[in-house]
Amino acid sequence: EDKVVQSPLSLVVHEGDTVTLNCSYEVTNFRSLLWYKQEKKAPTFLFMLTSSGIEKKSGRLSSILDKKELFSILNITATQTGDSAVYLCAVSTGTASKLTFGTGTRLQVTL
Amino acid sequence: EAGVAQSPRYKIIEKRQSVAFWCNPISGHATLYWYQQILGQGPKLLIQFQNNGVVDDSQLPKDRFSAERLKGVDSTLKIQPAKLEDSAVYLCASSRRLAGGTSTDTQYFGPGTRLTVL
Repeated sequence: EDKVVQSPLSLVVHEGDTVTLNCSYEVTNFRSLLWYKQEKKAPTFLFMLTSSGIEKKSGRLSSILDKKELFSILNITATQTGDSAVYLCAVSTGTASKLTFGTGTRLQVTL
Repeated sequence: EAGVAQSPRYKIIEKRQSVAFWCNPISGHATLYWYQQILGQGPKLLIQFQNNGVVDDSQLPKDRFSAERLKGVDSTLKIQPAKLEDSAVYLCASSRRLAGGTSTDTQYFGPGTRLTVL
């Protein structure tokens, strides 16, 4: 059975801190790894990673994949209160691009 | 471009009642997914459609859940009869189909329907 594990489960930081969220996986027929941000609504797409060692960046967010060690990290620098959300990691597998999600990391950024 | 639409946004029912949710995917997206997200957990795939055909329904509790996408566009998910453990957010997502017939990995989600079963 495909498995995606995220850590930590929750995190409280002060505005301006840098955070690192972790995602490890054990799946069959890996295609890609995706990160989503979920506030009180639909998960919104952040990144899709398919190749090891190539960093994807969007503003203060960045992510990298290690296909040998089967994990990915999501970094957020200079955190803001608007970054408070649940961050979901998902792995796409097989020809049908099935997504298996982790339980998410709940990030709270305080003033 | 309009996003994935879902209705209703909230629904409260008593156990053993029936309920239906509706989803309209992004225009042109051939693949449609229904997920169940229980509080504190990640979304779990219930069923995946490619046009009007089912690709994967291995995690759909078929004794009480059913879904259809008759014309390959919008879709309905039904629960009959509902149980207390069905309380969750039901998310619909869609993705594009590539030229080779497979779907892109990036799925776009609707706002979800929060179901409470009393």
